[in-house]
Amino acid sequence: DAGVIQSPRHEVTEMGQEVTLRCKPISGHDYLFWYRQTMMRGLELLIYFNNNVPIDDSGMPEDRFSAKMPNASFSTLKIQPSEPRDSAVYFCASSPPHGRRATKISSYNEQFFGPGTRLTVL
Amino acid sequence: KQEVTQIPAALSVPEGENLVLNCSFTDSAIYNLQWFRQDPGKGLTSLLLIQSSQREQTSGRLNASLDKSSGRSTLYIAASQPGDSATYLCAVQGGSEKLVFGKGTKLTVNP
Repeated sequence: DAGVIQSPRHEVTEMGQEVTLRCKPISGHDYLFWYRQTMMRGLELLIYFNNNVPIDDSGMPEDRFSAKMPNASFSTLKIQPSEPRDSAVYFCASSPPHGRRATKISSYNEQFFGPGTRLTVL
Repeated sequence: KQEVTQIPAALSVPEGENLVLNCSFTDSAIYNLQWFRQDPGKGLTSLLLIQSSQREQTSGRLNASLDKSSGRSTLYIAASQPGDSATYLCAVQGGSEKLVFGKGTKLTVNP
């Protein structure tokens, strides 16, 4: 398996432009996560999906950010309009389904990360 | 709100030395803890995952321990090599799929 694939690897754009980041998770994984990494704040979870449905978007900074997962093999993170403070490395990660035994959720949930997209907004 | 702290922020050691990286977390109600490695300009590579019911995990020269009650984990690297130079991140998973990350320890192993 090629692992989690992200594109583009680098993006430089001007303030006000729309930016779309793309992610292809590992085949068979049913969880997909979008993270942002900055020097000041470290790695922060923006949103995650399960079976293509957004579960928690409480980390999305504001309405300028939106994420979609139209099918099990593709997700996008869109910023419109972009601002210089959005400059960061954006990571996508996926994880496999974990089992359920009675009412207890299995705790195993290793996440596999893509190489990231380095976004610079001028 | 869960907070994860890693100390020190940076560490420089000579090749061959054994070393310990520290991670602490404020809420002990976790499902698991993961240690990751991040190389410059690259993504994260999972090194070890310790479930809440476990005390430690080993992989090669790496050993990670977990003391859930005290909110601490350590990553022990034996016989360090220059190729171990990277940033090491720990992350905890609580009552959902979310991982909460520390800011990492940047390790430099000098030849």
